[in-house]
Amino acid sequence: DADVTQTPRNRITKTGKRIMLECSQTKGHDRMYWYRQDPGLGLRLIYYSFDVKDINKGEISDGYSVSRQAQAKFSLSLESAIPNQTALYFCATSDHGNSYNEQFFGPGTRLTVL
Amino acid sequence: KQEVTQIPAALSVPEGENLVLNCSFTDSAIYNLQWFRQDPGKGLTSLLLIQSSQREQTSGRLNASLDKSSGRSTLYIAASQPGDSATYLCAVARSGAGSYQLTFGKGTKLSVIP
Repeated sequence: DADVTQTPRNRITKTGKRIMLECSQTKGHDRMYWYRQDPGLGLRLIYYSFDVKDINKGEISDGYSVSRQAQAKFSLSLESAIPNQTALYFCATSDHGNSYNEQFFGPGTRLTVL
Repeated sequence: KQEVTQIPAALSVPEGENLVLNCSFTDSAIYNLQWFRQDPGKGLTSLLLIQSSQREQTSGRLNASLDKSSGRSTLYIAASQPGDSATYLCAVARSGAGSYQLTFGKGTKLSVIP
């Protein structure tokens, strides 16, 4: 089984809809991240969480919110989706105590906002 | 602000050839550098992580080098195979309090022709 899972894997929605992307991990890592990937722009950090009570904005947090429901679960919400939020979204994890903060990624969620 | 550049954007080689992928970064105050492989629909796979104090890391047919003073890293792939076809991403973690935050290059898309 995959160590970092994301649901859904693909989602098409309409402008103005609320949508939630979910991430779960079985690696036992304390840190979790949300990134988005756009063609020609690379990956950019949206939010990150060092533990359940520590959530921080990343480079491009406007229009997004997150929830860390447990150490293993980190959700990303778009309160009112807009077309320029169409992108590939990745969740990642790392262990603060080991491996120089090596990050491990989930398979991604492809989101299309019409 | 750290900038990471990967050249070329795409590379096509015949099977069996040895090849080098390049990554350059503008700020030499880094914590580590990580190479990833991205396959369509499968997310990012961590290949190698080089700590700031290291010069190189090896895993199987892969060898990554780091020269902080010149702001460069290379990923060497020996005896390339069609299964190596993927997009390769370089990501740099800065030193200090922001060591969790990765700055990604846009990637090099590699095609290995049978």
